[in-house]
Amino acid sequence: KQEVTQIPAALSVPEGENLVLNCSFTDSAIYNLQWFRQDPGKGLTSLLLIQSSQREQTSGRLNASLDKSSGRSTLYIAASQPGDSATYLCAVRPTGANSKLTFGKGITLSVRP
Amino acid sequence: DADVTQTPRNRITKTGKRIMLECSQTKGHDRMYWYRQDPGLGLQLIYYSFDVKDINKGEISDGYSVSRQAQAKFSLSLESAIPNQTALYFCATSDARTSTGELFFGEGSRLTVL
Repeated sequence: KQEVTQIPAALSVPEGENLVLNCSFTDSAIYNLQWFRQDPGKGLTSLLLIQSSQREQTSGRLNASLDKSSGRSTLYIAASQPGDSATYLCAVRPTGANSKLTFGKGITLSVRP
Repeated sequence: DADVTQTPRNRITKTGKRIMLECSQTKGHDRMYWYRQDPGLGLQLIYYSFDVKDINKGEISDGYSVSRQAQAKFSLSLESAIPNQTALYFCATSDARTSTGELFFGEGSRLTVL
């Protein structure tokens, strides 16, 4: 059974810092990995999706990387801003038709002004 | 307007009551999902539907039922609510025509069962 771990559960950084959020998974037979952002009391917003054949994806100040062999993905946030404060979740889709996502529990990020 | 709309956004009810949470989407996606989120437990899949005639149980379907009234509508019912069903519920959609299976979520429905 696939397990997805995000450590630490919470992180606080000063504004302007570059930071890395980690996601690890136990089964490397994945189809893709998706990073989401969740604001308090709100739904999940898709940030980046990396296919298993890709090594990284970029969107603005965000860069997500994938290393299937080591079972790891990182979300890099450049020049963090208070508006980046949110919970960031990763989710892994295994290979196989109609496979379902397994979610990590998320990392709650606080960016201090 | 949101592409995936959930109603109600907040609901407080009593043990034993029947509750329905509704989801509608304008994305034209064929696949729809219901998840629940509990603090410290992450998201768990309750039910999913790949089209109007295809409904499947997820990880935690006991105590829940669903109805796919149309491609754009997917409702979740709690026949007799209990306190441990207090949670944040999310509807999500995806498009089978794309290869990625990327999920798009609604804003959530917060349910409190007293």
